Amino acid sequence: DTAVSQTPKYLVTQMGNDKSIKCEQNLGHDTMYWYKQDSKKFLKIMFSYNNKELIINETVPNRFSPKSPDKAHLNLHINSLELGDSAVYFCASSQPGEIAKNIQYFGAGTRLSVL
Amino acid sequence: SQKIEQNSEALNIQEGKTATLTCNYTNYSPAYLQWYRQDPGRGPVFLLLIRENEKEKRKERLKVTFDTTLKQSLFHITASQPADSATYLCAPPGGYSTLTFGKGTMLLVSP
Repeated sequence: DTAVSQTPKYLVTQMGNDKSIKCEQNLGHDTMYWYKQDSKKFLKIMFSYNNKELIINETVPNRFSPKSPDKAHLNLHINSLELGDSAVYFCASSQPGEIAKNIQYFGAGTRLSVL
Repeated sequence: SQKIEQNSEALNIQEGKTATLTCNYTNYSPAYLQWYRQDPGRGPVFLLLIRENEKEKRKERLKVTFDTTLKQSLFHITASQPADSATYLCAPPGGYSTLTFGKGTMLLVSP
């Protein structure tokens, strides 16, 4: 049973389109994240949510809008896609606190290609 | 600003040897540091966590050290195997329960 699952695995679309990526975790974690990994393999935090509330938005264009309907789900909607949005997007979850130390569990990633 | 540096070049070693990967950090005093493994086409997977008051941590063939004076963590894989080939990422904490990932070092173990 996959701990953090995200769909779709691949997403190919035209510039200007709107698309969504879904993420679900069954670990009972309070915190979920979206990361972007570009062609240089740098893994950068985009958003962090704790119990459905936005904690961090790391200077991401407002074309990106995360939505957390409950603490087990964090979806990412992207409007007006641009070529530079092509990357692999990872969802992750963690349980903050002294014991768990924010060890993060990642999904398999969504490879987004904007043509 | 905080900076995490890992060997940018791939590390090529022969099976059976010990691989040593380096993570240096500046403008930063992390209370702990995590190491992850990432295989092509997959998400990172947690390997080890070491706290600032721990000099060394081991798990099977893996060993991590943490030198707060040198601002450096070393990640060792002993008796390396081709299956150990992957990218290894170091990750000290960022703000608000996040982690700041280094660029990672690709390890290639040849038979």
